Amino acid sequence: QTVVTQEPSLTVSPGGTVTLTCASSTGAVTSGSYANWLQQKPGQPPRTLIHSTSNRHSWTPARFLGSLLGGKAALTLSGVQPEDEAYYYCLLWFPDFWVFGGGTQLTVL
Amino acid sequence: QEQLVQSGADVKKPGASVKVSCKTSGYPFSDYYIHWVRQAPGQGLEWVGCIYCNSGVTYYAQKFHGRVTMTRDTSISTVYMDLSSLTSDDTAVYYCARETSTWGTKDFDYWGQGTLVTVSS
Repeated sequence: QTVVTQEPSLTVSPGGTVTLTCASSTGAVTSGSYANWLQQKPGQPPRTLIHSTSNRHSWTPARFLGSLLGGKAALTLSGVQPEDEAYYYCLLWFPDFWVFGGGTQLTVL
Repeated sequence: QEQLVQSGADVKKPGASVKVSCKTSGYPFSDYYIHWVRQAPGQGLEWVGCIYCNSGVTYYAQKFHGRVTMTRDTSISTVYMDLSSLTSDDTAVYYCARETSTWGTKDFDYWGQGTLVTVSS
């Protein structure tokens, strides 16, 4: 069974920087994993912020940066805002199926 | 603009089946994959499977093989997910999402509003 692992929770101060990571049980995450990063706030559907490792959408603030870091997919938030408090999920592609990470609860405090 | 509008909430008894629809608009229906993702109460997101709207080819998560069927009706740009042999563990919000796939990118760009399916006796 393929497992995708994220930090369960992280806390960051307003204006600070935080990096969320996404690891695969099958080995290194690569550009061929097409990592998508989604943000979800209570009572709302998910919204994709980053696709294919590092591509932002038009609605994605520039403070969100997707990358590969040490064999994992990473989402770095710089200059964190209070409205960034949410759950963040990564989604990885394995040929013919996708797997979500367990999600990271980001607290801005 | 692109929209995915899902059917309303449903309540089913254990052992029954449920069919959830996802009506798309604002883009060429056949050029994209539509995925189904679910979220149990207080839990994370889980990929259920997808359908390529052009050919109707489907891919399902191993966990749901034999219980899920995804179909599409190209005449009304709508995708359906049928889940059978329901148990209380299937109680969840089910989302549809569009995948835009080009050379070098795969992007879950648009999402439906979600459909709550409750399984209860």
